[in-house]
Amino acid sequence: NAGVTQTPKFRILKIGQSMTLQCTQDMNHNYMYWYRQDPGMGLKLIYYSVGAGITDKGEVPNGYNVSRSTTEDFPLRLELAAPSQTSVYFCASSYTGQGNTEAFFGQGTRLTVV
Amino acid sequence: RKEVEQDPGPFNVPEGATVAFNCTYSNSASQSFFWYRQDCRKEPKLLMSVYSSGNEDGRFTAQLNRASQYISLLIRDSKLSDSATYLCVVGGSQGNLIFGKGTKLSVKP
Repeated sequence: NAGVTQTPKFRILKIGQSMTLQCTQDMNHNYMYWYRQDPGMGLKLIYYSVGAGITDKGEVPNGYNVSRSTTEDFPLRLELAAPSQTSVYFCASSYTGQGNTEAFFGQGTRLTVV
Repeated sequence: RKEVEQDPGPFNVPEGATVAFNCTYSNSASQSFFWYRQDCRKEPKLLMSVYSSGNEDGRFTAQLNRASQYISLLIRDSKLSDSATYLCVVGGSQGNLIFGKGTKLSVKP
């Protein structure tokens, strides 16, 4: 029963490098989310998706891109890493039908940009 | 008004105390409400859903006041292990879930 799986768990990037944070869920959830969390701060929504082929910007989308080609996968792309993107990144999924079900989170990716 | 608003705290309480958190939300059409718990450097996890009639799970009681658009969480007989950040979550108008910034609780011996 995997739930939401994020990879990698840790990563150090140099300024200007690119990387993709992977997220996959096996619960057939339609909604998926990417958040970042800076030390001592709350979650900030980067992007979310209501289903395959549909994505929407959240509160802090600049510097990131996403795609949702399948229900299961929602990768987050950083094109030109900057020190301001040092953070913990959480992927989550939930199901919305008649109402919302709870969101399940991955264990997070700790990213440091140097 | 922010979509979901919580007092950031921190709330510093002694063991055995009763502590209450409140959360307000702006979308009167919201239908889904939850409380999550987040431990330091860990992912948020569901603590309990919040139902219209209110609900209780052991030492935890959640209540919803639709007229005033607020949700509350009451923790009785606080334990050291209750120290964490508590996140209020509300269903959004786009079908998404909206997370509050969280209230930090520190329970001291």
